[in-house]
Amino acid sequence: AQKITQTQPGMFVQEKEAVTLDCTYDTSDQSYGLFWYKQPSSGEMIFLIYQGSYDEQNATEGRYSLNFQKARKSANLVISASQLGDSAMYFCAMREGVDSGYALNFGKGTSLLVTP
Amino acid sequence: DAGVTQSPTHLIKTRGQQVTLRCSPKSGHDTVSWYQQALGQGPQFIFQYYEEEERQRGNFPDRFSGHQFPNYSSELNVNALLLGDSALYLCASSLIPGGMNTEAFFGQGTRLTVV
Repeated sequence: AQKITQTQPGMFVQEKEAVTLDCTYDTSDQSYGLFWYKQPSSGEMIFLIYQGSYDEQNATEGRYSLNFQKARKSANLVISASQLGDSAMYFCAMREGVDSGYALNFGKGTSLLVTP
Repeated sequence: DAGVTQSPTHLIKTRGQQVTLRCSPKSGHDTVSWYQQALGQGPQFIFQYYEEEERQRGNFPDRFSGHQFPNYSSELNVNALLLGDSALYLCASSLIPGGMNTEAFFGQGTRLTVV
């Protein structure tokens, strides 16, 4: 079963607007971590933001914030004041359990295009 | 400070051949993980190396093997290549296999095409 689901294959947003990228996850572990990565056309995965399952507050990193709704098992990424350079693939990922071995389970990604 | 470097950047191989991909982790990092990213998909975990041993393995056949050297660099070997092995292979390094929030730093990947 898919552990990370990203239902939006592609999204458009106008420059300077905010955009929300959806991510839902499936786990029976109490301890887990959620990550968002950006992948430009160059291929490198760039870490954006992290949310731990026990964190009570939503994570924020500059223009990125994570809307964490634990009961709904969702971890949506919010990008405020979009910039042309934000155009890329965005991946949600999860790391499970104390003895998970630290492997990341990725979703299929969302392609974001920022237009002028 | 050099990040994660991978070589080569692109590679074309014929079915049945063998391939070796290389990865140098970020300075100070001692753990290396390999991922396969097929076109239009998210990365899939292949395996992780720490202290020159395979610590964890994803759902990949034995044709995929690896090695970690004393300087923490790593190789991914794939034998008997199939067309389905065509993908972007990403290497990620981290500083000890620590807690849940351990950040993985990725290289730019090796694009393997099997013909």
